[in-house]
Amino acid sequence: QVELVESGGGLVKPGGSLRLSCLASGFTFSDNYMNWIRQAPGKGLEWVSYISSRGTMTNYADSVKGRFTISRDNAKNSLYLHMNNLRVEDTAVYYCARGVTGADDFWGQGTLVTVSS
Amino acid sequence: DIQVTQSPSSVSAFVGDRVTITCRASQGIGTWLAWYQQMPGKAPKLLISSASTLQSGVPSRFSGSGSGTFFTLTISSLQPEDFANYYCQQASIFPRTFGQGTKVEMK
Repeated sequence: QVELVESGGGLVKPGGSLRLSCLASGFTFSDNYMNWIRQAPGKGLEWVSYISSRGTMTNYADSVKGRFTISRDNAKNSLYLHMNNLRVEDTAVYYCARGVTGADDFWGQGTLVTVSS
Repeated sequence: DIQVTQSPSSVSAFVGDRVTITCRASQGIGTWLAWYQQMPGKAPKLLISSASTLQSGVPSRFSGSGSGTFFTLTISSLQPEDFANYYCQQASIFPRTFGQGTKVEMK
């Protein structure tokens, strides 16, 4: 069965960096585009970033553009989100999600990133 | 960016009630709209893609309709396990914006 497991979250000071990982299993990872979506505490969902199945195309929300970088290693069935210059407002649960036509059909359980001094 | 306005922000209903949630896009998106259900403390679950395609395993009491700028999610007969948060998302262009969410609460 499809499984997505995020890791790498934690507490970081403003201006710091983190790398989130998402390990995929149960499907051919290289067949699907992937997204990162986040949810601040008590708030709604915010799409963060997209990467195509081969990693040749990416896209970012304006709120993270220039600070976050999405990447993937299809040989390792892994998706990454490199986050630099973190801000308090980046505090959220970060989900990775598998993309299908026009939607994200499987989501990981999420990893919490807390940015605080 | 395409703005997606979801309403209502919350709805109180009884088991067995019919509940309808709407999403309006600020410009036409064809049928590039998905609906998700999120239980407290859990990851979102895809219910409907392409505005009206029910995902495998999702009960038939859920249905979606619409195209262009106006979309609806209907729960025909609310069940106890349906009390949750619901979100729409446009998938027409980046950024892939979500609606603000609707909390379906027990009356």
